[in-house]
Amino acid sequence: AQTVTQSQPEMSVQEAETVTLSCTYDTSESDYYLFWYKQPPSRQMILVIRQEAYKQQNATENRFSVNFQKAAKSFSLKISDSQLGDAAMYFCAYSENSGGSNYKLTFGKGTLLTVNP
Amino acid sequence: DAMVIQNPRYQVTQFGKPVTLSCSQTLNHNVMYWYQQKSSQAPKLLFHYYDKDFNNEADTPDNFQSRRPNTSFCFLDIRSPGLGDAAMYLCATSRDYQGTREQYFGPGTRLTVT
Repeated sequence: AQTVTQSQPEMSVQEAETVTLSCTYDTSESDYYLFWYKQPPSRQMILVIRQEAYKQQNATENRFSVNFQKAAKSFSLKISDSQLGDAAMYFCAYSENSGGSNYKLTFGKGTLLTVNP
Repeated sequence: DAMVIQNPRYQVTQFGKPVTLSCSQTLNHNVMYWYQQKSSQAPKLLFHYYDKDFNNEADTPDNFQSRRPNTSFCFLDIRSPGLGDAAMYLCATSRDYQGTREQYFGPGTRLTVT
């Protein structure tokens, strides 16, 4: 079974600084998607960034970028120029691209990010 | 523009008293999901619908049922809530099984069992 591990339960960063959240995963599949979702306090979870495993280029979305290391099964999220609105729980998630479980997101336990002014 | 709406946002029920949580979507997506999220834990998938086809996760207790009367609405029924069922319940949608796999989440319903 696929597993997703986020080893940092909590992280903090100063406003305008850069922070990196770690994620590792375990799978025997070669074709899959990886995601970072953000869940602000009392608000809905939203997609931050998505990476397709067959793409070697790391995904970027404005201040958010990933470091995808397929061989190491590592998928970290870098937030540059951190803003107060980035404070949230961040979940790393995995989804197969084919097969019987391709509907399913497997989440890590989350990293709670605090942004200090 | 609300896309996935959950009502109510907060629900209090008594031990053993049936409760229904509601989810609606304006995205016209084929797939709707129900997750249970306990404090400081990852969301856990309970079941999902592809159109009208219901798919239960193997470890979802029988106490949890779901209905999807049409594309827009999906309900989560907890037949006899126990204290261990207190959690945030998240509804999500996705366009299809293929494609980008992005799921769109509602704000959740926080269930308290007294």
